[in-house]
Amino acid sequence: AQSVTQPDIHITVSEGASLELRCNYSYGATPYLFWYVQSPGQGLQLLLKYFSGDTLVQGIKGFEAEFKRSQSSFNLRKPSVHWSDAAEYFCAVGAWAAGNKLTFGGGTRVLVKP
Amino acid sequence: SQTIHQWPATLVQPVGSPLSLECTVEGTSNPNLYWYRQAAGRGLQLLFYSVGIGQISSEVPQNLSASRPQDRQFILSSKKLLLSDSGFYLCAWSGPGQGGSDEQYFGPGTRLTVT
Repeated sequence: AQSVTQPDIHITVSEGASLELRCNYSYGATPYLFWYVQSPGQGLQLLLKYFSGDTLVQGIKGFEAEFKRSQSSFNLRKPSVHWSDAAEYFCAVGAWAAGNKLTFGGGTRVLVKP
Repeated sequence: SQTIHQWPATLVQPVGSPLSLECTVEGTSNPNLYWYRQAAGRGLQLLFYSVGIGQISSEVPQNLSASRPQDRQFILSSKKLLLSDSGFYLCAWSGPGQGGSDEQYFGPGTRLTVT
């Protein structure tokens, strides 16, 4: 069975600084990987996804993620954080099985200091 | 374009009362549909998914049930709520099929508080 680990529960970053969120996955086949963002009290919005090909994936809101098969990682990065990036971020892996199920990590809450 | 609706947005219910949460999707046909629960300070737990009308798969044994009476309608129910049913319930949809490559799109969620 697949699993996803997000080692950092909380991260505090200053506005304008860079951000990196870690994600490690466990999956026996080629993974389909996703990053979602959730603002307080809201649903989840897809930031980016990786299926195959180029291991550096560009997403919305200036985010990017890099797939490293050797490290089973899919870390999310943003060069310069804005106050509006304060939210919770979830990494997920897709299962090649009935129903197209996703397994989510526990999430990382990002706080942005002015 | 596709949209997903959930209602109600918030709900406060006493222990032992019934529950019905509704999710509808517009602008797509034969979607896969999902119910998740997000407890306070925790990640998302998949509760049910459906690949078609009347086809429901349960991921976690619990006090809840799901039904899909129409192609784009997904309902989460309970006959008697427990305190532990409190949480944020999210409905999601993805394209039809059984592959793992389709991203899921989430609704705005329902905040359920059981008192």
